[in-house]
Amino acid sequence: KQEVTQIPAALSVPEGENLVLNCSFTDSAIYNLQWFRQDPGKGLTSLLLIQSSQREQTSGRLNASLDKSSGRSTLYIAASQPGDSATYLCAVLTQGGSEKLVFGKGTKLTVNP
Amino acid sequence: NAGVTQTPKFRVLKTGQSMTLLCAQDMNHEYMYWYRQDPGMGLRLIHYSVGEGTTAKGEVPDGYNVSRLKKQNFLLGLESAAPSQTSVYFCASSYWRQAITGELFFGEGSRLTVL
Repeated sequence: KQEVTQIPAALSVPEGENLVLNCSFTDSAIYNLQWFRQDPGKGLTSLLLIQSSQREQTSGRLNASLDKSSGRSTLYIAASQPGDSATYLCAVLTQGGSEKLVFGKGTKLTVNP
Repeated sequence: NAGVTQTPKFRVLKTGQSMTLLCAQDMNHEYMYWYRQDPGMGLRLIHYSVGEGTTAKGEVPDGYNVSRLKKQNFLLGLESAAPSQTSVYFCASSYWRQAITGELFFGEGSRLTVL
């Protein structure tokens, strides 16, 4: 059974700092991995999608990497801003069966001005 | 520019009551999903649909029923609500198989409390 873990559960940083969020998964037989952002009381917004054949994806100040063999992904946020404060979730689409998307519990990020 | 719309946004039920959550998407997506989000549990898939007229069970389907009579709508029903169904429910949709396109679009959630 696929399990997705995100560490740390919460992170507080000063504005301008570069930071890394971690995601690990137990079953490397995946189609893709996604990073989402969730603001309080809101739905999830897709940030980056990495297919299993890719090593990284970039969008603006965000860079996500994938090491499928070790079951790890990182989300790098450069020059963090208070507007980046949110909960970040990673989700893995596992091969076989129903192609179920398995979510981690998220990392709550606070960027202090 | 609606995307995925969920109604209602908030609802309080008494144990044993029934209700239906409606999800509507205007992006002509084939696949639709219902998730629940609970503190400390993450998001869990309840049911999903791969096209009009189809439904399938997800990870936690017990106590819920779904219908996809129209391509744009996906309904989640609770026939006899229980306090354990207190949660935030999210609907999501994707154009095609996530294994191919990947991107998932979420609604803003429906917060349900069962007393």
